[in-house]
Amino acid sequence: SQQGEEDPQALSIQEGENATMNCSYKTSINNLQWYRQNSGRGLVHLILIRSNEREKHSGRLRVTLDTSKKSSSLLITASRAADTASYFCVPQEAGSYQLTFGKGTKLSVIP
Amino acid sequence: EPEVTQTPSHQVTQMGQEVILRCVPISNHLYFYWYRQILGQKVEFLVSFYNNEISEKSEIFDDQFSVERPDGSNFTLKIRSTKLEDSAMYFCASSTQGSPDEQFFGPGTRLTVL
Repeated sequence: SQQGEEDPQALSIQEGENATMNCSYKTSINNLQWYRQNSGRGLVHLILIRSNEREKHSGRLRVTLDTSKKSSSLLITASRAADTASYFCVPQEAGSYQLTFGKGTKLSVIP
Repeated sequence: EPEVTQTPSHQVTQMGQEVILRCVPISNHLYFYWYRQILGQKVEFLVSFYNNEISEKSEIFDDQFSVERPDGSNFTLKIRSTKLEDSAMYFCASSTQGSPDEQFFGPGTRLTVL
C-alpha cells in the first residue's frame, strides 16, 4: 500500500479564511480519503473520493482528485478554530482495506 | 450517533507482561482494524479482520500480537510479552460491508510499557 504526501506540512490561517491542503501519491488508486486527527486523538473520516470522480463536497469541505497528476486537494472554507488539527490524505488501492497514513498537514486556525 | 469505543483509555504495564486492549466496534460493522501511533510518529496499520479471520497484517504484527472477536460485540488486541517499544497509542477502527473503505476510529488506548 502507498501513503499520500501532504503539502504543506504546516499551515496557519486566521479564522474565516479558507485552507487548502494538497496531496500527491505514486500509483493507481481505487479511492482517496481524507482524515482529520486532533492532537493525538482518534482519527475522523472526512470524505472519500473515488478514482472516477473529480470533485466532491461535504459541508465546508471540497475535495478534488486528478488521477492523471496523481494529486488531490482538500479545501476547507470559512475555517473555524475547531478545524485546528492534522489532516491526512490516504490513497487506497483496489483490494486492500489497509490505510497508510503519512505525516499530514498540521492546520492551525487562529481565532 | 454510533461510535467505536475502546477500553481502557490508558494502560500501564511492565515489560514482559501480557496486555489485552479492548474495542467495541459499531454494531452493524463487519470489518475491524487495529492501528498504532508511537508518540510523534505516523499512524501505522497493524491488522484487519473480517469474517473471523485476519485479512491483512503488517510487518509490525508479529507473533507477539493476536486479535480475537470473542463474542458478538468485542474485538481485542493481545500483546503477549510487551516490550518498551510497544508503548504507543492503539486505535481500533471498524467499517461496514457496504462501505468497507470508510473506517470509523475509536479514541484510542495509550499503552505505556515500563
